[in-house]
Amino acid sequence: NAGVTQTPKFRVLKTGQSMTLLCAQDMNHEYMYWYRQDPGMGLRLIHYSVGEGTTAKGEVPDGYNVSRLKKQNFLLGLESAAPSQTSVYFCASSLGQRNTEAFFGQGTRLTVV
Amino acid sequence: GNSVTQMEGPVTLSEEAFLTINCTYTATGYPSLFWYVQYPGEGLQLLLKATKADDKGSNKGFEATYRKETTSFHLEKGSVQVSDSAVYFCALTSSSNTGKLIFGQGTTLQVKP
Repeated sequence: NAGVTQTPKFRVLKTGQSMTLLCAQDMNHEYMYWYRQDPGMGLRLIHYSVGEGTTAKGEVPDGYNVSRLKKQNFLLGLESAAPSQTSVYFCASSLGQRNTEAFFGQGTRLTVV
Repeated sequence: GNSVTQMEGPVTLSEEAFLTINCTYTATGYPSLFWYVQYPGEGLQLLLKATKADDKGSNKGFEATYRKETTSFHLEKGSVQVSDSAVYFCALTSSSNTGKLIFGQGTTLQVKP
């Protein structure tokens, strides 16, 4: 039962470098999300997608881009990493209705030095 | 806008003690309410949910009741175990059918033998 899989699990970047975080889900969910988790702030929505080929901004989208070329994959890109983007990133997927469960990946711990 | 506020942690309890973690929310319309749990080194997983006023969600001995009059969704367990040590997040989804979650800050629970 793979569920939601994120790669990589850990990464250290230098300021200004770029990287892409990959999220894959095998539950045929239409909706996918990227959140960041910071101490004392819970999880905050970065971007989300309501279906293949669509993306939308969440609460904290600045400095990030996303793409959803295939239904099962949702990519999060950092074009020029900054220390403020040091965080734990979680991908999730769901059926998208207000009363349904979201399924989360195990997270990616990113440090920008 | 919509928001969720949880009691500050960390909470430290002895095994078999009674647990309450307070959660209040601000939302327009008819949100659904959730408790997610994050065990060390893992992603979030759904603990319980309630989708309308006066509903009680329950799972693994945990309970929470959707109180519209007090805009609260407090988490309770009668007798905690060491294995309940984790971070607990209260969250809501708005009336729109996008499944976007708004999280509280998270409360760390440590249960000592």
